[in-house]
Amino acid sequence: DQQVKQNSPSLSVQEGRISILNCDYTNSMFDYFLWYKKYPAEGPTFLISISSIKDKNEDGRFTVFLNKSAKHLSLHIVPSQPGDSAVYFCAKRGGRGAGSYQLTFGKGTKLSVIP
Amino acid sequence: EAEVAQSPRYKITEKSQAVAFWCDPISGHATLYWYRQILGQGPELLVQFQDESVVDDSQLPKDRFSAERLKGVDSTLKIQPAELGDSAMYLCASSPRTVGVLAKNIQYFGAGTRLSVL
Repeated sequence: DQQVKQNSPSLSVQEGRISILNCDYTNSMFDYFLWYKKYPAEGPTFLISISSIKDKNEDGRFTVFLNKSAKHLSLHIVPSQPGDSAVYFCAKRGGRGAGSYQLTFGKGTKLSVIP
Repeated sequence: EAEVAQSPRYKITEKSQAVAFWCDPISGHATLYWYRQILGQGPELLVQFQDESVVDDSQLPKDRFSAERLKGVDSTLKIQPAELGDSAMYLCASSPRTVGVLAKNIQYFGAGTRLSVL
């Protein structure tokens, strides 16, 4: 059972335009969603998160939107820059007890920003 | 800036051999995680430590995998014997001690060890 789904394996966007990365989830027992960015040969790097009590969180060029009724979240990058080219992972945090901080990741979306 | 250190970066081994990976978390981080990432997939949790204690190892194939964090600081993940299907990136992450369900508690990842089993 894939609890976090990123249905688009790849996305190409022109520099300066908006990039929208999507993520769907199936289990509502969570408290946080997170986005991580991963460059080749590096580990994932935390980008932005959103609590389940909010519907939007913004940090500079990055905004995450959470639609709880649709069980959907999206990451918007405006304006997109070539340095944003990476694999983006959506992750949900949830579990029981001390394991409640465990992350479940989607398969990732490879973003290519074309100069 | 503090980082999670992992070694080696790359490991090539033959099947049935033993391999070991090392992780040194960010100083002061009580929680340590080992993940496995297969090409084209997201990271999947293998084991979680809180200090020196295992919190969750339900996804760790215990017939061949073992993990320890004896002094609650650095950690070792071992595979014996390695199989072809173990080829993957092995990622270590750490986070501060968890306090409260609404705490942000970000996990910080190391660069990983790329394992190739021939």
